[in-house]
Amino acid sequence: KAGVTQTPRYLIKTRGQQVTLSCSPISGHRSVSWYQQTPGQGLQFLFEYFSETQRNKGNFPGRFSGRQFSNSRSEMNVSTLELGDSALYLCASAATSLQGGDYGYTFGSGTRLTVV
Amino acid sequence: AQKVTQAQTEISVVEKEDVTLDCVYETRDTTYYLFWYKQPPSGELVFLIRRNSFDEQNEISGRYSWNFQKSTSSFNFTITASQVVDSAVYFCALSEASRGGYQKVTFGTGTKLQVIP
Repeated sequence: KAGVTQTPRYLIKTRGQQVTLSCSPISGHRSVSWYQQTPGQGLQFLFEYFSETQRNKGNFPGRFSGRQFSNSRSEMNVSTLELGDSALYLCASAATSLQGGDYGYTFGSGTRLTVV
Repeated sequence: AQKVTQAQTEISVVEKEDVTLDCVYETRDTTYYLFWYKQPPSGELVFLIRRNSFDEQNEISGRYSWNFQKSTSSFNFTITASQVVDSAVYFCALSEASRGGYQKVTFGTGTKLQVIP
């Protein structure tokens, strides 16, 4: 079956702009999590959605937001981009949050965002 | 609060050498899960293994083996007879149930393994 699909793969934006990243989970998976990966901070949890509701949130400023649609596809948005937002953004899906925590998540290949 | 420490930032080994990646964790829960993921250059994290806190049996899968010791809060990963294809960043992760019924997953900072031919 198809894996987790993230689009676009690469993105270059200018400081101050906003960006929207997309994630399509594995069919049947309703839990979608987002992570930011940077060389200095490693993998940091952004938020998790389940059935269109944000269930869990990491310690990121309000410029980072997300949503999930009825088909479980998720988008994350970053407004007023800063240079420090340059990172690999990874999406992960699981049937449920509990299953993801118990059995592991399936990750997408990520969107590499560069802010200039 | 949960925490995962991977003290080794980068390791280089020559092909066919054995290598152990260390992982130390902190948690106040008695029920938790530990994971190892591999991140090749393509970017996606690939699930390798899962262990629950009640199962301290070591596990071997081909050239991979895992040593879980609750007494030292460690979950180390050994690759035997390393190969160039093992070159990747390896992440250790800890999952514990948080309030609300959903799991909170914390990742270590990763260990970059380079296997030199």
